[in-house]
Amino acid sequence: EVQLVESGGGLVQPGGSLRLSCSASGFTFSSYAMHWVRQAPGKGLEYVSAISSNGGSTYYADSVKGRFTISRDNSKNTLYLQMSSLRAEDTAVYYCVKDISRTPDAFDIWGQGTMVTVSS
Amino acid sequence: DIQMTQSPSSLSASVGDRVTITCQASQDISNYLNWYQQKPGKAPKLLIYDASNLETGVPSRFSGSGSGTDFTFTISSLQPEDIATYYCQQYDNLITFGQGTRLEIK
Repeated sequence: EVQLVESGGGLVQPGGSLRLSCSASGFTFSSYAMHWVRQAPGKGLEYVSAISSNGGSTYYADSVKGRFTISRDNSKNTLYLQMSSLRAEDTAVYYCVKDISRTPDAFDIWGQGTMVTVSS
Repeated sequence: DIQMTQSPSSLSASVGDRVTITCQASQDISNYLNWYQQKPGKAPKLLIYDASNLETGVPSRFSGSGSGTDFTFTISSLQPEDIATYYCQQYDNLITFGQGTRLEIK
């Protein structure tokens, strides 16, 4: 079964840091681009970041550029999102997402999401 | 950045109705447009990719069309299980989602 399982969410103070992980199974992880998409409570979907299949290319939304870093370990079938200088507006459910291609295209598999709350 | 404008933002329809949602891009994105369905408390699900291609396992009552800047998503005969929020997404230049269309049963 194709599956994505996120972990690492939680409560963090403004200005703090957090690292999200996403463990992938059931497909050849190294063959696909991967993404993070977030959704603030009661709001729509917001694209956060993407990484190509070999990790050679990364993409960031302007709202997180310079604060978040996406990475992947294809030997461990794991995707990461290092978040720093967190703000209240970063509060959201963060979804790990598999692309249908090696470069950003369509998102065919989504994790269940992990909640990040930035608050003092 | 490419902006995606969906309309309407909410929609109420009866079972069996034909439902149409539009998505307009701020610049030409060819057919680099996907549609997703999100039910309450669940992760989104891919329905249509490349503007008009039905994802495997998705019922044929769902369809998509368009190219360039104007796109349409259609449910030919609304079913109770179609109650959800629908999003368009472009991938021509980075990735942008539309603001979503909440679909309710009348």
